[in-house]
Amino acid sequence: EPEVTQTPSHQVTQMGQEVILRCVPISNHLYFYWYRQILGQKVEFLVSFYNNEISEKSEIFDDQFSVERPDGSNFTLKIRSTKLEDSAMYFCASSETRVGSPLHFGNGTRLTVT
Amino acid sequence: DQQVKQNSPSLSVQEGRISILNCDYTNSMFDYFLWYKKYPAEGPTFLISISSIKDKNEDGRFTVFLNKSAKHLSLHIVPSQPGDSAVYFCAASVTGNQFYFGTGTSLTVIP
Repeated sequence: EPEVTQTPSHQVTQMGQEVILRCVPISNHLYFYWYRQILGQKVEFLVSFYNNEISEKSEIFDDQFSVERPDGSNFTLKIRSTKLEDSAMYFCASSETRVGSPLHFGNGTRLTVT
Repeated sequence: DQQVKQNSPSLSVQEGRISILNCDYTNSMFDYFLWYKKYPAEGPTFLISISSIKDKNEDGRFTVFLNKSAKHLSLHIVPSQPGDSAVYFCAASVTGNQFYFGTGTSLTVIP
């Protein structure tokens, strides 16, 4: 069964550094998402992306965050200047359509900011 | 801003019995609901969905019930198996928009 893959599985970075989290969505999916889960808290929406542009973003997704689909397969989340509170599991997801199809998640990247 | 709530953080069930996981929501505009299962160190795995035009959807051992007037949905697993032990999340959206997740219920199925 096709799956969403994320790399790296664990990223440790120092506060203020830039990080790029990478995702390869399922190949025939058109909609891409980033969610995150801070330890012990709920899964939170960050951003959705379609047709090379952001279609929706949450309050969490401020100017420090950006997303890109640099080629036909990768979907990246960049955090420009990481803060301690950015430490979380970051999940990439994709869906076939915008309406009525479930999100398929990757296994996540654990980001630790020290 | 807890639009989706799972009030039971944990649930234990004997193997072979029914597991019932509950989820409540506050936004009456939600019209598409999902259930996910999550093992440690893995991402959420999609289980079953339901749209607001239905009140029940069944897939094998998994059945989701939706009560729109009560803003409540539940996931029934029958019969429960030890491999079902995981954290279960419900999620809800207004069609085409972001999903809101509950905080999860940790299910333990006792052999």
